[in-house]
Amino acid sequence: GDSVTQMEGPVTLSEEAFLTINCTYTATGYPSLFWYVQYPGEGLQLLLKATKADDKGSNKGFEATYRKETTSFHLEKGSVQVSDSAVYFCALSDPRGSQGNLIFGKGTKLSVKP
Amino acid sequence: KAGVTQTPRYLIKTRGQQVTLSCSPISGHRSVSWYQQTPGQGLQFLFEYFSETQRNKGNFPGRFSGRQFSNSRSEMNVSTLELGDSALYLCASSFKTDTQYFGPGTRLTVL
Repeated sequence: GDSVTQMEGPVTLSEEAFLTINCTYTATGYPSLFWYVQYPGEGLQLLLKATKADDKGSNKGFEATYRKETTSFHLEKGSVQVSDSAVYFCALSDPRGSQGNLIFGKGTKLSVKP
Repeated sequence: KAGVTQTPRYLIKTRGQQVTLSCSPISGHRSVSWYQQTPGQGLQFLFEYFSETQRNKGNFPGRFSGRQFSNSRSEMNVSTLELGDSALYLCASSFKTDTQYFGPGTRLTVL
């Protein structure tokens, strides 16, 4: 079935370091891809999205490019801050029809040290 | 616009009881989805409602049910609670597209 695989965490970085969180997916059809972020004690916030191949989503310095040939949607940021510490989830929309079903990866916890 | 709201934020129940959680979507959004988040299973889709009709359902037992009202507000109900139902229950709403906006969640603890 459809699935999302994220790199295992936790990821610990120093402030201003470069961030990459890998995400690959398996899906039939052409899903939309998303990154969500969850801060402690909160719900999920949409970080960015891409709806078709070669689209680049970007927000708050984060970027991810929809790569159909490698079925990937890796999250990157050039210089992380302590405030970026959170859990990041990669997700795809269920391409089988209903738009209301997101399939999530397991999440990657990021800790940024000053 | 106000975001997705969920009530209550925290809930403690005992095994065998039932519980009802509420979700108010962003104004104008007609689709509401529910997810269960646990440390072991991660985020799992429960069901989606659109215009008062269940449009999609995840792989959960019949103890989990939901409904949607004409104003798009939604409730989910869990009957005969089990310890394993302890989780963060997240509601999300969307408008015409597959981009979902999540509420803060309801933390359910079953003792």
